[in-house]
Amino acid sequence: AQSVTQLDSQVPVFEEAPVELRCNYSSSVSVYLFWYVQYPNQGLQLLLKYLSGSTLVKGINGFEAEFNKSQTSFHLRKPSVHISDTAEYFCAVSEEASGSRLTFGEGTQLTVNP
Amino acid sequence: DTGVSQDPRHKITKRGQNVTFRCDPISEHNRLYWYRQTLGQGPEFLTYFQNEAQLEKSRLLSDRFSAERPKGSFSTLEIQRTEQGDSAMYLCASSSGPWNTEAFFGQGTRLTVV
Repeated sequence: AQSVTQLDSQVPVFEEAPVELRCNYSSSVSVYLFWYVQYPNQGLQLLLKYLSGSTLVKGINGFEAEFNKSQTSFHLRKPSVHISDTAEYFCAVSEEASGSRLTFGEGTQLTVNP
Repeated sequence: DTGVSQDPRHKITKRGQNVTFRCDPISEHNRLYWYRQTLGQGPEFLTYFQNEAQLEKSRLLSDRFSAERPKGSFSTLEIQRTEQGDSAMYLCASSSGPWNTEAFFGQGTRLTVV
């Protein structure tokens, strides 16, 4: 079975500052990795995903993440955040073999202050 | 709009009543998932369908929960004899198959049991 740990439950930053949201996973098999964003009272929107290939993946809204197999991490980064990036961010994994259900972390609330 | 649609968006019910939620996936997506998200937590997998077949159920899905996907199109999730602990956001997602692991989420149904 796989699990996901998001190391920070809340990350406050100032506008235009860089940010990193940390995610570690545990799995006995190969996995796909995802970051989703959730705005208040909304569903989840996919930011980016790692399936294979280059370990640096770029997503929407200027976010990127790097897959590190040896450290079993998939940290999310953005060089300069905006007020509109304030939201809950979820890291998730699914098993490569089945590609079915997602296992989510507990989420990181990113708050961008002016 | 061809996104995942969920109905209703909000439901308040008295303890002990039965409730039913509906999910309309993206057209021609053969995989449909249900997740439950409680306050401050990441979504937790409940069950998924490939076409009309229910292929996996989580231990979270007690006997009071039942899900169907007749004809492989829309799906319903029914909760019988609701309890206060059932209060949560119920999210539906769909994807186009096992080799495309991107799941698209609906906006969710927020259930409050009073």
